[in-house]
Amino acid sequence: NAGVTQTPKFRILKIGQSMTLQCTQDMNHNYMYWYRQDPGMGLKLIYYSVGAGITDKGEVPNGYNVSRSTTEDFPLRLELAAPSQTSVYFCASSYTRTANEQFFGPGTRLTVL
Amino acid sequence: AQKVTQAQTEISVVEKEDVTLDCVYETRDTTYYLFWYKQPPSGELVFLIRRNSFDEQNEISGRYSWNFQKSTSSFNFTITASQVVDSAVYFCALSEALLSSGSARQLTFGSGTQLTVLP
Repeated sequence: NAGVTQTPKFRILKIGQSMTLQCTQDMNHNYMYWYRQDPGMGLKLIYYSVGAGITDKGEVPNGYNVSRSTTEDFPLRLELAAPSQTSVYFCASSYTRTANEQFFGPGTRLTVL
Repeated sequence: AQKVTQAQTEISVVEKEDVTLDCVYETRDTTYYLFWYKQPPSGELVFLIRRNSFDEQNEISGRYSWNFQKSTSSFNFTITASQVVDSAVYFCALSEALLSSGSARQLTFGSGTQLTVLP
């Protein structure tokens, strides 16, 4: 049971490039989330999903897209990378929408130059 | 709008000292949940506790204790007899208790407190 896994761990992008951050969970959780953590700040919710095929915006969705074709995977897409997207990205999942605990992945550190 | 304030950016203590991490929150909801998460140097967030807004009893779990005071909108976290392994960033978070159909729990995080426990 690996929990929530994220790839890559680190990535440097040039302005205007695109990339997909991968997130997979093996706990059969319906609910999945993407957060970003800027230096010295708390986490902010980008997008979330309540099940395969269903996604919704969080607090800071601009510049990102998501999809949820399977229960296990919840990739985050950056289409035109900007320096403001330099951050650490965390994927999380929970069993129910009222669950106490969200399980977090190890994070992806992204730098946009 | 919800807001969580952790005024202590960094705290440094010597091993075996007690340390309290402060958390003050703002919400218009009458029912809500408060959380503490730990982020060790490895990076992933680890859930520590959830507290319901209607339950103001203090909670103790080993060396950890939490003091929830609704009157002052605070949810403080105390580590007794701190250890080097307690060194981490600690986040306080808040979410609404009542969810609309099709939505999911959205956590509002504070900016975190970096705790360093020196040997």
